[in-house]
Amino acid sequence: AQSVTQLGSHVSVSEGALVLLRCNYSSSVPPYLFWYVQYPNQGLQLLLKYTSAATLVKGINGFEAEFKKSETSFHLTKPSAHMSDAAEYFCAVRGGSNYKLTFGKGTLLTVNP
Amino acid sequence: DGGITQSPKYLFRKEGQNVTLSCEQNLNHDAMYWYRQDPGQGLRLIYYSQIVNDFQKGDIAEGYSVSREKKESFPLTVTSAQKNPTAFYLCATSASGASKNIQYFGAGTRLSVL
Repeated sequence: AQSVTQLGSHVSVSEGALVLLRCNYSSSVPPYLFWYVQYPNQGLQLLLKYTSAATLVKGINGFEAEFKKSETSFHLTKPSAHMSDAAEYFCAVRGGSNYKLTFGKGTLLTVNP
Repeated sequence: DGGITQSPKYLFRKEGQNVTLSCEQNLNHDAMYWYRQDPGQGLRLIYYSQIVNDFQKGDIAEGYSVSREKKESFPLTVTSAQKNPTAFYLCATSASGASKNIQYFGAGTRLSVL
């Protein structure tokens, strides 16, 4: 079974500051890990994915995440926040051949001018 | 235009009524999924289908039903047995093979109770 914990339901940063959104996972098999972004009243858009290749994964809009097996973490970062980054972010895990994704509860990112 | 189309965007249900949410895709993806999203709860899987004429219950299937008669379509019916249907419903698809890990999402249907 897989599970995801996103630490902090709400993160607030200033424009230009570092963005760090935390995700820890539990999986009984080598996981596939994903970050999705959701803007208000819209569906989810894939930001980036880890599928057992490079541990540092680069995604769209300047985001990246690092897979750390020893810490069972997959934190999302961006060096400099932009106002357009304000959205809700979801971490998800998929284990083995099962098609199912298990999502965290989400982190709402607000960016202050 | 390729993608996943969910309709309607907003839907209202009366007491005791069944309502059906539409999900159509032209990505030629084999697998389709329905999720329910509530504030602060993340996404929870209702049903999923890996091939036509086959589907499995997810984590919160009670009060919902689905069909998969065509590859392109995976409608979700919210029955009167679902006592708390107010939520945002998201349909997703994924391909088979090496790219099957990635799920792509529609724009969602917001269901409210009158």
